[in-house]
Amino acid sequence: GENVEQHPSTLSVQEGDSAVIKCTYSDSASNYFPWYKQELGKRPQLIIDIRSNVGEKKDQRIAVTLNKTAKHFSLHITETQPEDSAVYFCAASKAGGYSTLTFGKGTMLLVSP
Amino acid sequence: EAGVAQSPRYKIIEKRQSVAFWCNPISGHATLYWYQQILGQGPKLLIQFQNNGVVDDSQLPKDRFSAERLKGVDSTLKIQPAKLEDSAVYLCASSLQTRSYNEQFFGPGTRLTVL
Repeated sequence: GENVEQHPSTLSVQEGDSAVIKCTYSDSASNYFPWYKQELGKRPQLIIDIRSNVGEKKDQRIAVTLNKTAKHFSLHITETQPEDSAVYFCAASKAGGYSTLTFGKGTMLLVSP
Repeated sequence: EAGVAQSPRYKIIEKRQSVAFWCNPISGHATLYWYQQILGQGPKLLIQFQNNGVVDDSQLPKDRFSAERLKGVDSTLKIQPAKLEDSAVYLCASSLQTRSYNEQFFGPGTRLTVL
């Protein structure tokens, strides 16, 4: 089955800095890669996703890049703000059939004012 | 639109006891998922329903866990008997259908503590 590795497990940055979280996946058939944000005690919420036919996607301060050859994808947050502090999860799945999401272990991002 | 509802929010039981969790997905969502999230880890899929049929329960410990979605809407997840290692947050999620590009919407979760 699919295996998703996520690094780093914790990331501390100063407000205004950029943050990068990286994930690798094992199944070359995976073609959908969402990122979820989970604030303390709250439910995971989708913040951005990318499909395998696209190398990069951007939404305001958040961007995701995908390298299918190397089987890795990354989340980039620019101009970080204290409200960006949360746990971020990457995931991977395959299109077609009854696809399921395999999640990474998460990255705790701490943004200090 | 209303989100995914779960109850109870918290539950404390002793090992070997039974417990049940309830989930009401977003109206019209055909696919429903139950995840187990152990502290410090990502959600792990336990079971996936398409309407009232099971499409993936490969990671469900079937000797103690069971789940049903009888009318293709609400779902219950049961643990009997509970073990210490079952302490986790149990998340329910739903999506419009089971194709991979459909966003999964998560409920608030049920935090289970087994003593």
